[in-house]
Amino acid sequence: GENVEQHPSTLSVQEGDSAVIKCTYSDSASNYFPWYKQELGKRPQLIIDIRSNVGEKKDQRIAVTLNKTAKHFSLHITETQPEDSAVYFCAARAFGNEKLTFGTGTRLTIIP
Amino acid sequence: KAGVTQTPRYLIKTRGQQVTLSCSPISGHRSVSWYQQTPGQGLQFLFEYFSETQRNKGNFPGRFSGRQFSNSRSEMNVSTLELGDSALYLCASSAGQGGEQYFGPGTRLTVT
Repeated sequence: GENVEQHPSTLSVQEGDSAVIKCTYSDSASNYFPWYKQELGKRPQLIIDIRSNVGEKKDQRIAVTLNKTAKHFSLHITETQPEDSAVYFCAARAFGNEKLTFGTGTRLTIIP
Repeated sequence: KAGVTQTPRYLIKTRGQQVTLSCSPISGHRSVSWYQQTPGQGLQFLFEYFSETQRNKGNFPGRFSGRQFSNSRSEMNVSTLELGDSALYLCASSAGQGGEQYFGPGTRLTVT
């Protein structure tokens, strides 16, 4: 089955700097890669996603890149703000399958 | 549109008991997936229902079961509760055609 590895497990970034979180997946059949943000005590919130026919996607300060050959994808957050502090999860899903396989999460702390 | 709702939000049960959790998806969504979230194992897929049929199942014992009703609402049941079943149980809804998944607030189950 699919295996998703996520690094780093913790990340501290000065406010205003950029943060990058990386994930690798094992199943070449995976074609959908969402990112979720989970604040303490709250539900995971979908913040951005990318499909395998696209190499990069941006939404304001957030971007995701995908390298299908290397089977890795990354989340980039620019101009970080205190409200970006949360746990971020990457996930992968194969075509025709609703099952999401999640990475182990990255705790991002923005230092004011 | 109203978001995904889950009831109850908190539950305390004793070892050996059984429990039923409920999930109401976003209006129009026909797929409901269930996940277990624990600090040690992260987010793990339990099962997915679409149009009252279980389409996919994760690696959990048979004590974990679910069902979906004609209005797309879903329930999951855990029988013979064990201490290790203490977790946040999240459901996610989607249109079921490879679309985005949106999570509910979760049910925090504590087994004593």
